[in-house]
Amino acid sequence: DIQMTQSPSSLSASVGDRVTITCRASQTIDSYLNWYQQKTGKAPKLLIYDASSLQGGVPSRFSGSGSGTDFTLTIGSLQPEDFATYYCQQSYSTPLTFGGGTKVEIK
Amino acid sequence: QVRLLQSGAEVKKPGASVKVSCKASGYTFTSYYLHWVRQAPGQGLEWMGIINPTGGTTRFAQKFQGRVAMTRDTSASTVYMEVSSLNSDDTAVYYCARVRTELGPFDYWGQGTLVTVSS
Repeated sequence: DIQMTQSPSSLSASVGDRVTITCRASQTIDSYLNWYQQKTGKAPKLLIYDASSLQGGVPSRFSGSGSGTDFTLTIGSLQPEDFATYYCQQSYSTPLTFGGGTKVEIK
Repeated sequence: QVRLLQSGAEVKKPGASVKVSCKASGYTFTSYYLHWVRQAPGQGLEWMGIINPTGGTTRFAQKFQGRVAMTRDTSASTVYMEVSSLNSDDTAVYYCARVRTELGPFDYWGQGTLVTVSS
């Protein structure tokens, strides 16, 4: 199975901050990497697919980069509605696997 | 608009089975695969398996093989996920999620179904 490791597991940031979350795969997954945002009590929401493609309707302050084993999600200027937990997920092979999540909290 | 509507919360005793439904609307049911993902309280996301609504073929994570079944009713645009021999570790929110290509990404999710296993 491909292990997905996210860091940090949590972070505190202020509105307007630039935030970066990293995700590392235990083996190459090309660009088959997706990012989701999950708010408390809600289903996850797709933000970025194929490492760097922005899902329709997602604000442009979200961006993704990387390929192979190392990936990054960046929030360009953190907004109040961005406080949530973020998950990476590989869609390279089954079993599909997720990172452990990064909780973004208000400083 | 695309919608995946799941059945309501369930409370089950250890050893019992539970069947959760996911009704699709707003798109051609047979054009997208459906996956099931679960999330234990306060924990991360865990992939369970996939069903192809066209032919009904399925694939499961190894830990669920033999204990999980996925079926579909194309006339009702609904998929079902049944978990048998429930134990407390199965207490979780279960989500269905749609993908255009077999392995994703998950572009639409159901609202989730809480399954509580308790004696």
